[in-house]
Amino acid sequence: GPKVLQIPSHQIIDMGQMVTLNCDPVSNHLYFYWYKQILGQQMEFLVNFYNGKVMEKSKLFKDQFSVERPDGSYFTLKIQPTALEDSAVYFCASSLDRGREQYFGPGTRLTVL
Amino acid sequence: GDSVTQTEGLVTLTEGLPVMLNCTYQSTYSPFLFWYVQHLNEAPKLLLKSFTDNKRPEHQGFHATLHKSSSSFHLQKSSAQLSDSALYYCALSDRGGSNAKLTFGKGTKLSVKS
Repeated sequence: GPKVLQIPSHQIIDMGQMVTLNCDPVSNHLYFYWYKQILGQQMEFLVNFYNGKVMEKSKLFKDQFSVERPDGSYFTLKIQPTALEDSAVYFCASSLDRGREQYFGPGTRLTVL
Repeated sequence: GDSVTQTEGLVTLTEGLPVMLNCTYQSTYSPFLFWYVQHLNEAPKLLLKSFTDNKRPEHQGFHATLHKSSSSFHLQKSSAQLSDSALYYCALSDRGGSNAKLTFGKGTKLSVKS
């Protein structure tokens, strides 16, 4: 089936540093999403992105977070500066249209020390 | 706001027995419902999605029926296999909302033993 790729699979950084998580969505998909999953908890919506703009974000999407997809390349989540509570697995997803099924990447495990 | 409730955190059963994982939801609009399955260290994969009320989608022996009257979308399988052991998430997408983000339940870990 359609595949979403995420790079890197793991990232360990010191608190206060910047990190960029990369997502390569399904090629013909138009909607892109980030979800956050803290160990042992459910996945929670962070943000979605369409036509170069953030369409909706949750309260978990702090001011230190930003997303972009310059010129159809990777869809990125940037955190600057990072905090200890940002440690989690971040899943990228994409869909062809809103309301349609979303396809998920394998996640990036972020550890902030 | 939207919410999804999965009452069981862990379901353990013996191979060959029937499976039923509960999912109920609350939504302002008439949502799409989904079941995702996540194996260890893998991406969540779509297992089933709802269609219209009382139509039953099926995949890999699993089926689920959307009942609007009871706001439920329980996942069922007649005979569990060892390979079914995984984490199962019920999720909804608000069709009436502007952007259709997925709202997930807490997930149910299914452990099938021989």
